[in-house]
Amino acid sequence: GQNIDQPTEMTATEGAIVQINCTYQTSGFNGLFWYQQHAGEAPTFLSYNVLDGLEEKGRFSSFLSRSKGYSYLLLKELQMKDSASYLCAVGGTDKLIFGTGTRLQVFP
Amino acid sequence: DGGITQSPKYLFRKEGQNVTLSCEQNLNHDAMYWYRQDPGQGLRLIYYSQIVNDFQKGDIAEGYSVSREKKESFPLTVTSAQKNPTAFYLCASTPGGLAGAPYNEQFFGPGTRLTVL
Repeated sequence: GQNIDQPTEMTATEGAIVQINCTYQTSGFNGLFWYQQHAGEAPTFLSYNVLDGLEEKGRFSSFLSRSKGYSYLLLKELQMKDSASYLCAVGGTDKLIFGTGTRLQVFP
Repeated sequence: DGGITQSPKYLFRKEGQNVTLSCEQNLNHDAMYWYRQDPGQGLRLIYYSQIVNDFQKGDIAEGYSVSREKKESFPLTVTSAQKNPTAFYLCASTPGGLAGAPYNEQFFGPGTRLTVL
């Protein structure tokens, strides 16, 4: 079967660092995407990993371990506008498989 | 400006009526997708199309139908057979090929919130 697990909710303080984990078991693997989705809006692309290791993009970084079926998204210097849902998605042959998302609330 | 448009943003229908949601893209993408999102849930795939005049069922296709007569357009019809149609519907497109390839990030439209009364 196909399964992607993420925590349902997380909270953090402005200026802090937060790590959102994603574990996956899928029949195929062609890369892992992270998307950000603000309430009532469409998801927007954050990062992509296909090889093991860390990809850094400004305040956001994403890590992948294919042998462990594990990824995380690291958000540094949190801002209030980072309050959103973060979706982990695994690439299959012709479609993406999405996790249920992690809702992050950033408090002042 | 290239992008994906969905209309309308909010849609209200009476129970038992079919309704068609529009999705148009001018990105020259081959593949298009329809997702449904319920409150506090992730995205569930309804239908997708890799090429004109061809489409495949996703995980929750029952009660929905699609067509792909033109590359730019992928309308979704929510039929009266769909038991619980009230949801947020998202259309997406990708250039095509392997879904996980680095050039193949999904671009999403703004979504249509359908409420069935």
